[in-house]
This record gives sequence, structure tokens and C-alpha cells, in this order.
Amino acid sequence: DTEVTQTPKHLVMGMTNKKSLKCEQHMGHRAMYWYKQKAKKPPELMFVYSYEKLSINESVPSRFSPECPNSSLLNLHLHALQPEDSALYLCASSQDGRVPYNEQFFGPGTRLTVL
Amino acid sequence: QQPVQSPQAVILREGEDAVINCSSSKALYSVHWYRQKHGEAPVFLMILLKGGEQKGHEKISASFNEKKQQSSLYLTASQLSYSGTYFCGTDLLMTDKLIFGTGTRLQVFP
Repeated sequence: DTEVTQTPKHLVMGMTNKKSLKCEQHMGHRAMYWYKQKAKKPPELMFVYSYEKLSINESVPSRFSPECPNSSLLNLHLHALQPEDSALYLCASSQDGRVPYNEQFFGPGTRLTVL
Repeated sequence: QQPVQSPQAVILREGEDAVINCSSSKALYSVHWYRQKHGEAPVFLMILLKGGEQKGHEKISASFNEKKQQSSLYLTASQLSYSGTYFCGTDLLMTDKLIFGTGTRLQVFP
């Protein structure tokens, strides 16, 4: 199984809502990532988990809260988002967190719209 | 810090060749290449490590010149399936962060 799955595929939320994005992989990978991608732009790194510990936080606002319950699951909790947070949120995983030596496998993404 | 890709867009006929360039203002340890089709996830193509090596298979290959802080992706005898946006991704030694380039949109027509 070389697939990263993400749910939901689409999410529309108001600025006062609380929602969560979910990512799952069963490849035995020990590094997992959240990226944000705006239309016609490259993915931007948000968070990296390595061996279930948060290793990189790219100064993401606290209204985004990542969680890694186990080595296969990655969540992104959303609260009090702004309309400019509307984007495609991509999850990825790799064998470990050493970027030079590991390809990243991306999920299909969750398209988020904040009203 | 974001790598700059050129050209921004390429239009090809099937069978034509293309070169996509990726330049960084900082010293690089490795370069990744990914292709993303519209509405889909990025898909890994290859990684090149510091050392100037060239990698690839069949009709897609790449080179990495760490002195010039540049990488190039070579697409030979393009196929319709090559259409999509190509991103290079670079990392600086010891950061373990993949920073994606500005992207090159490639369209192949019959």
C-alpha cells in the first residue's frame, strides 16, 4: 500500500467553526508533513512530525494545531480560521525525516473554504 | 529562499523536448523534482544529491550543479501524460525542510 489518504476531500467552514483534517498512511513511514497550497502556487511547508514528535513548525498561526496520535495518523485541527486560510491542504509522508534521502508521498489533499 | 524556476510555462507538441531549470540563491544539499497534475497530488520524480550527479530513467532525467546552485530537468520526446506543473524542491543542509520552487506549467498537445 503506497497511498496517503486524506479526509475530507472538501470542507467549507465558517470563521467560528472548529474542524479537523485527517491524514493516514500505512507504509510504515516515520515522518509526516502538512503543506498548504494556494491556487497556482507551490506547496508551502507548515509542520513536520518525525517519529511522532513535532520537529518543525514553520511559524504557523496557532489557529492551526497539528496532532500525531500514532505513526500512521496525522491530524490538523482548525479553529477560528480566516478567509485567507482557504487553500488546498496536503499531507505527505516519507520513510524518515531526512529530506535528502527520502521521497515524499503526497495525499490528494483537502480543499478548504473559509467563509 | 524559494528557488526560482524557468520557464514559467512551456507548450509542446508530442515528441518535442523540454528543459526546466531551478535556481537557488543558497547552497543546496539536494534537489527533488515533483510533477502535479491539475487537481491531483504532487508525484515524486527524482532526488539528486550534492555531487553533480545526473539521474533519470527513460525519457526524464535531471542534473544538479551544486556550484551554480542549479538543477535542470530534461524531458525527452514528450508524451501527453507529461502535462502538469513541475516543481523542484530544495533543501539546505541540516534543515530537513523541502522548499518548493515557483513551478513550471508544461502542456503537451497532440
